[in-house]
Amino acid sequence: AQRVTQPEKLLSVFKGAPVELKCNYSYSGSPELFWYVQYSRQRLQLLLRHISRESIKGFTADLNKGETSFHLKKPFAQEEDSAMYYCALGVKAAGNKLTFGGGTRVLVKP
Amino acid sequence: DAGVTQSPTHLIKTRGQHVTLRCSPISGHKSVSWYQQVLGQGPQFIFQYYEKEERGRGNFPDRFSARQFPNYSSELNVNALLLGDSALYLCASSLQGVSYEQYFGPGTRLTVT
Repeated sequence: AQRVTQPEKLLSVFKGAPVELKCNYSYSGSPELFWYVQYSRQRLQLLLRHISRESIKGFTADLNKGETSFHLKKPFAQEEDSAMYYCALGVKAAGNKLTFGGGTRVLVKP
Repeated sequence: DAGVTQSPTHLIKTRGQHVTLRCSPISGHKSVSWYQQVLGQGPQFIFQYYEKEERGRGNFPDRFSARQFPNYSSELNVNALLLGDSALYLCASSLQGVSYEQYFGPGTRLTVT
């Protein structure tokens, strides 16, 4: 079975400081990893996926298969980054099923 | 396009009752997935329907059922409600059966008393 763990429930950083959200997964095959974000009063939306290897809103995430991790990083946090972030794992054999972590709330202080 | 829509927004039910939640996907999307999000936790997969057929089922009891209609809208039904069914129920649509580009609706907040 797949499992996603986000060890931090809350991350509080000052504007301009780096922020790193940790995500660890367990899955024996080749997973696809994603970060979803939910801003205040908005819907859950896809932020980025590991296969695209792109930077979205200054965020990047690297899949480390050896450590089974997919940490999300941003070098300089902005106040608009305050949101709930969810790491998710997808398995193609399971169709569209996503297994989500428990989420990390990021609070960027001015 | 208004995106994925869900109805109702909120509802309150009593233990033992039945509830039906509705979801309309983005126009052109043929896949609908349902998730349950208990307060303080991440969403948990319940069902996926694609082209009106069940393509995936999560670890939920048989009290939970769903269906997809010819216009690709979907219903989630929960029978014999328990207090533990209180949660936010999210619907997500995608273009294809295997696609992680999922678009989520605002959710239906169900409270069971």
